[in-house]
Amino acid sequence: DAGVTQSPTHLIKTRGQQVTLRCSPKSGHDTVSWYQQALGQGPQFIFQYYEEEERQRGNFPDRFSGHQFPNYSSELNVNALLLGDSALYLCASSPDKSLYYGYTFGSGTRLTVV
Amino acid sequence: AQSVTQLDSHVSVSEGTPVLLRCNYSSSYSPSLFWYVQHPNKGLQLLLKYTSAATLVKGINGFEAEFKKSETSFHLTKPSAHMSDAAEYFCVVGVFMEYGNKLVFGAGTILRVKS
Repeated sequence: DAGVTQSPTHLIKTRGQQVTLRCSPKSGHDTVSWYQQALGQGPQFIFQYYEEEERQRGNFPDRFSGHQFPNYSSELNVNALLLGDSALYLCASSPDKSLYYGYTFGSGTRLTVV
Repeated sequence: AQSVTQLDSHVSVSEGTPVLLRCNYSSSYSPSLFWYVQHPNKGLQLLLKYTSAATLVKGINGFEAEFKKSETSFHLTKPSAHMSDAAEYFCVVGVFMEYGNKLVFGAGTILRVKS
């Protein structure tokens, strides 16, 4: 049973560019969340999607946007990249909106902005 | 606001000795608490979770955590450390929001295991 799959694994972009990261949730999971983990820090919540809509958002600017597709997969888009956006971006999925099952995390996409 | 504080940024133990990683939480309601482990250049793996059931929670790879409401603590323990336990460990509290939820992570504890 495949867990959470993220692509690409690594990415290098230039300041001002735009990037799209992709996530396929674990089979049977319909809720997807995205987290940003800067070097040496714990992950920070970006937003959560279910039923193809953004339901909750953390303290991130509008440059960060997302999408969820009917098959529950999700994309994270970041526009006008800044050096400070360099981080590991983690996708997490859950079978429902409760916290009972916890979240299953992918291995992440390492984004480097130069 | 819900938060967690991991009391040690680094812990070093010898192989075969007990592991104790300390975590205190702050929550205005009965919390959902988790411990996740992150090996270098890897994603996060759920070790165990507390969701208002038994206060002593058993997880994978021999890890346990005890929820103590009176002390607002959720410390992670393992009787005997193995070299493969070397990693970063995150104490996490689940936060309910208006239309969903999020995880709030502690700053992490790096566990070093000496041979």
